[in-house]
Amino acid sequence: AQSVTQPDIHITVSEGASLELRCNYSYGATPYLFWYVQSPGQGLQLLLKYFSGDTLVQGIKGFEAEFKRSQSSFNLRKPSVHWSDAAEYFCAVNFGNEKLTFGTGTRLTIIP
Amino acid sequence: DVKVTQSSRYLVKRTGEKVFLECVQDMDHENMFWYRQDPGLGLRLIYFSYDVKMKEKGDIPEGYSVSREKKERFSLILESASTNQTSMYLCASSSSRQGVALYEQYFGPGTRLTVT
Repeated sequence: AQSVTQPDIHITVSEGASLELRCNYSYGATPYLFWYVQSPGQGLQLLLKYFSGDTLVQGIKGFEAEFKRSQSSFNLRKPSVHWSDAAEYFCAVNFGNEKLTFGTGTRLTIIP
Repeated sequence: DVKVTQSSRYLVKRTGEKVFLECVQDMDHENMFWYRQDPGLGLRLIYFSYDVKMKEKGDIPEGYSVSREKKERFSLILESASTNQTSMYLCASSSSRQGVALYEQYFGPGTRLTVT
C-alpha cells in the first residue's frame, strides 16, 4: 500500500545546531516528493520539492532535502537552525495522481 | 503569487447547524482540495475536485459534502455539524498542467471550526 511515514512526532534542537527530519514512503516507483512547513495558526508553505534529476534539492529558508531511492526516503536538513524555524513540518508524496498523501508531521521546538 | 483564501479564520457553530466553508483561488488551478487537520493525525483529505462540477471523495468524506460551481471556488458543507467535526480545515489548490508546478499544492490559511 502507498504510505508516508514521519517517524518523529516531536524534535527539540538548540538554536544553531543542525537538523534532520525523516520521511519514508512506500511505493513501487519514484513518486513526487514535497516538504511543507506550517507556522502556528497558519496554512502550509512549500519548502522544496523533488520530481527528478539531482537527488539533493535546495529549498527556501536554507533547507535542503535528499532523495534516496534505495531507502525510500526524503529527509529534510538544515545546517544551522534559527528560532524562527520552530514550526510543524510535513512530508507529502504524490503517487501519480492529483492527490498528495501527507505524513503525520514533525513538530520542531528550538531551545536557546 | 498564488493566493488561496478562506472565508473565515475562526468559526463557532452549534450542533446540528448547517455550516459552509468557502475557498477561493486566483491561479486558474484545475484541482481543489479540502483537508481537516487534527493533532497527531496530520492532514486528511475530505474531498477534492479536478474540474468544475466534478468531485471525488477523499479519505474521510462522511458527514461532509462539497460544491464547485465555478473554477475558482470550492465550498465545503457540513450538513449537520457535530462536535467531532471540531477541527482545523485547510483548503488547497493545484495545477494538472505539465510545467506549471505540477501537483504542487497551495494552501489557504485555514479555518478553525468549533462545534459546541
